[in-house]
Amino acid sequence: QSALTQPASVSGSPGQSITISCTGTSSDVGGYNYVSWYQQHPGKAPKLMIYDVSNRPSGVSNRFSGSKSGNTASLTISGLQAADEADYYCSSFTSSTTYVFGTGTKVTVL
Amino acid sequence: QVQLQESGPGLVKPSQTLSLTCTVSGGSISSGDYYWSWIRQPPGKGLEWIGYIYYSGNTYYNPSLKSRVTISVDTSKNQFSLKLSSVTAADTAVYYCARKLKGSSWYDYWGQGTLVTVSS
Repeated sequence: QSALTQPASVSGSPGQSITISCTGTSSDVGGYNYVSWYQQHPGKAPKLMIYDVSNRPSGVSNRFSGSKSGNTASLTISGLQAADEADYYCSSFTSSTTYVFGTGTKVTVL
Repeated sequence: QVQLQESGPGLVKPSQTLSLTCTVSGGSISSGDYYWSWIRQPPGKGLEWIGYIYYSGNTYYNPSLKSRVTISVDTSKNQFSLKLSSVTAADTAVYYCARKLKGSSWYDYWGQGTLVTVSS
């Protein structure tokens, strides 16, 4: 299975909004509403930010939102803050009843 | 509060078998509510899903690793384990164990991760 495609890096100024894309196929992202997003700070374990395309776990800021169109899912961070600087990974269930992660995106707050 | 903790050798020789254990505290593996997973991350690279196991022993593996991977569970010790055979330098990574709610598609609790280096 091939990793989902994400941009290597995205940057924005404090207070701005940024969007990270996650492109797969009809066998994963496009076929199911089972896309999740994880935030990972250096040396730390990933943290769940969004599940099932657009749902936020308890405790996650409403500045984080998710959506999907066709084979591409997106994570939007609004009101960008310094603490949001991290790596972000998408993940999707696949038609093989397995899971696949995205290539990862480094978010930089300018 | 559930906690997961990986343990095992930090250095493995090429062609040998990598063995790791994840100890779960604050919850029972036998509850049947979760799938127990392994995910890895080579240094400076992205996450790779390895597979998961249900308390009954049912397993699901990444097709690209399936021929070399075995995940098992020991409910008496509240642990699950990973074995990866015939390792090469490409298997050098931080290995995470994680929990997935049955019927869900996301991982809500992760271990801190353990670095395994494959080198002679």
